Amino acid sequence: GIQVEQSPPDLILQEGANSTLRCNFSDSVNNLQWFHQNPWGQLINLFYIPSGTKQNGRLSATTVATERYSLLYISSSQTTDSGVYFCAVHTNAGKSTFGDGTTLTVKP
Amino acid sequence: AAGVIQSPRHLIKEKRETATLKCYPIPRHDTVYWYQQGPGQDPQFLISFYEKMQSDKGSIPDRFSAQQFSDYHSELNMSSLELGDSALYFCASSPQGVGTSPADTQYFGPGTRLTVL
Repeated sequence: GIQVEQSPPDLILQEGANSTLRCNFSDSVNNLQWFHQNPWGQLINLFYIPSGTKQNGRLSATTVATERYSLLYISSSQTTDSGVYFCAVHTNAGKSTFGDGTTLTVKP
Repeated sequence: AAGVIQSPRHLIKEKRETATLKCYPIPRHDTVYWYQQGPGQDPQFLISFYEKMQSDKGSIPDRFSAQQFSDYHSELNMSSLELGDSALYFCASSPQGVGTSPADTQYFGPGTRLTVL
């Protein structure tokens, strides 16, 4: 099956810093989503981004489908950004395969 | 806007008992997915349904079964529970069928936290 790798596995930032999270995938995908799982376990959909670039406030994402990677940018990080960020890809089968996640800790 | 509803939110069972988790998709979403997330792990796909038919199957144990009903809600039935079944179970729904574009964006519910003692 498709492999999804996220990096870095852990990231510690000072409040106000910027960061880039990466997601590599091993095969062509129909769709790619970025999720934020907060400390209460809730999965929050950040971006649906099979290709191109999208921005939403302090967050933006870019997917280069031909090179099989996606990047999530977090600018001016806040403590509420802490949690686990998952990349999930969808293949023709319709199911999602998740990466292992990046655990982000933003310190005040 | 309406979201995916899961019930119960928390469930405690003992080994060898059975459990039923329910999922109510967003209105007009016809596809439902189930995921299992163990402690410190990423969500693992279990099974999905499109228009009340099973559309794909992942790492779902034989002890588990699921179905989608005529009103599109889905139930995950878990029997002979084991300690290792303790996890967060997510349901997600999407507005179109398998492989269609530009949908198949999955909207996740809040999850059911199952603890097996």
